[in-house]
Amino acid sequence: GAGVSQSPSNKVTEKGKDVELRCDPISGHTALYWYRQRLGQGLEFLIYFQGNSAPDKSGLPSDRFSAERTGESVSTLTIQRTQQEDSAVYLCASTSPYTEAFFGQGTRLTVV
Amino acid sequence: AQKITQTQPGMFVQEKEAVTLDCTYDTSDPSYGLFWYKQPSSGEMIFLIYQGSYDQQNATEGRYSLNFQKARKSANLVISASQLGDSAMYFCAMREGARGSTLGRLYFGRGTQLTVWP
Repeated sequence: GAGVSQSPSNKVTEKGKDVELRCDPISGHTALYWYRQRLGQGLEFLIYFQGNSAPDKSGLPSDRFSAERTGESVSTLTIQRTQQEDSAVYLCASTSPYTEAFFGQGTRLTVV
Repeated sequence: AQKITQTQPGMFVQEKEAVTLDCTYDTSDPSYGLFWYKQPSSGEMIFLIYQGSYDQQNATEGRYSLNFQKARKSANLVISASQLGDSAMYFCAMREGARGSTLGRLYFGRGTQLTVWP
């Protein structure tokens, strides 16, 4: 498709389990962002990839969170040993130097 | 310091009236872009309007216009002739670096919940 694709759209997991969230950016977009949005709240920055530069990981809340991106393609956000406070919608966005950021539909994560 | 400040947690406007949503920003980079996004209850993020720091004129997109006051570092969104479908959360965002250059991080404000009543 032409837009940013995130999978899964919904994920329910048990506390303590690991989860992996996937983001397929728009082809050719050099930058990719991950945000977390808790219910009724704003967007909390997690991590930012820009081309082949070292990612900006300053928003990752703990060492349970990690993310990877290979080149300018797919990114995965991994949360290890999930906790109930990790429950949120995880949004991915991609952009190129000449466009606004395009967002995926998000992954709704529920930790039970 | 906050990069983007939205001081209005909630705003109410009557249908067909105009409304202004406030946004101030903080940067020392001379090149930056300002964005507004709309997030309805469905959760999708919808891009509304963009203003570059070197743009001489205020950006407009249909019923949306951006009141850009560079010296005051404000980028208020004006919605004219409000419609019921405008009820949503609105986010102001900033990205440092000029359009067409290496991209910087995208900073968001906390958002303003707009409610349009009939």
